Amino acid sequence: GAGVSQSPSNKVTEKGKDVELRCDPISGHTALYWYRQRLGQGLEFLIYFQGNSAPDKSGLPSDRFSAERTGESVSTLTIQRTQQEDSAVYLCASSLAGTGVLYEQYFGPGTRLTVT
Amino acid sequence: DQQVKQNSPSLSVQEGRISILNCDYTNSMFDYFLWYKKYPAEGPTFLISISSIKDKNEDGRFTVFLNKSAKHLSLHIVPSQPGDSAVYFCAAGPRAQKVTFGTGTKLQVIP
Repeated sequence: GAGVSQSPSNKVTEKGKDVELRCDPISGHTALYWYRQRLGQGLEFLIYFQGNSAPDKSGLPSDRFSAERTGESVSTLTIQRTQQEDSAVYLCASSLAGTGVLYEQYFGPGTRLTVT
Repeated sequence: DQQVKQNSPSLSVQEGRISILNCDYTNSMFDYFLWYKKYPAEGPTFLISISSIKDKNEDGRFTVFLNKSAKHLSLHIVPSQPGDSAVYFCAAGPRAQKVTFGTGTKLQVIP
């Protein structure tokens, strides 16, 4: 079966431009996460979608960052007016979800964003 | 505030020996703990997990130990193989909630 896919795999953009990153989760996974990994750093949580609940946006670093998810499928992460500090690998993950258990996440290969 | 800490950024081990990767957490609400492995240019992949009702979980060469009183978990790899060279992330969370990841430990297994 297909895993989590992300597009584009690489994106180079000029400072000040907007970018949109896409994530296709595994079918049937109701939970979807976005993370950021800067060079030499760990995984930084950005946002979490779970079913029809309001997303947990507590990790978004500024109001330039936003994300949407259509039902339980595709998600897009949008970064407006990109800055050089936004350069990172953006990882998407999906998982099953349920009460009383924490399912493992399946990660996509990431989108490497470079802001020049 | 780093709720999940991996204080060793890197570790080198000889092939065949034991690798021990450590992780500390601060949130007593965390019930589930997972380890992920990440190769360069790939997303992390799930390795092994443990819930707070256990203190040990074993899967082949990989064993995770949980010490709840110390808020500490460790991953043991025995015997270590060159293909185990990767970055290892621990993650923790309360049940059915988002996890918090540590900063990772880069393991190098020397042939």
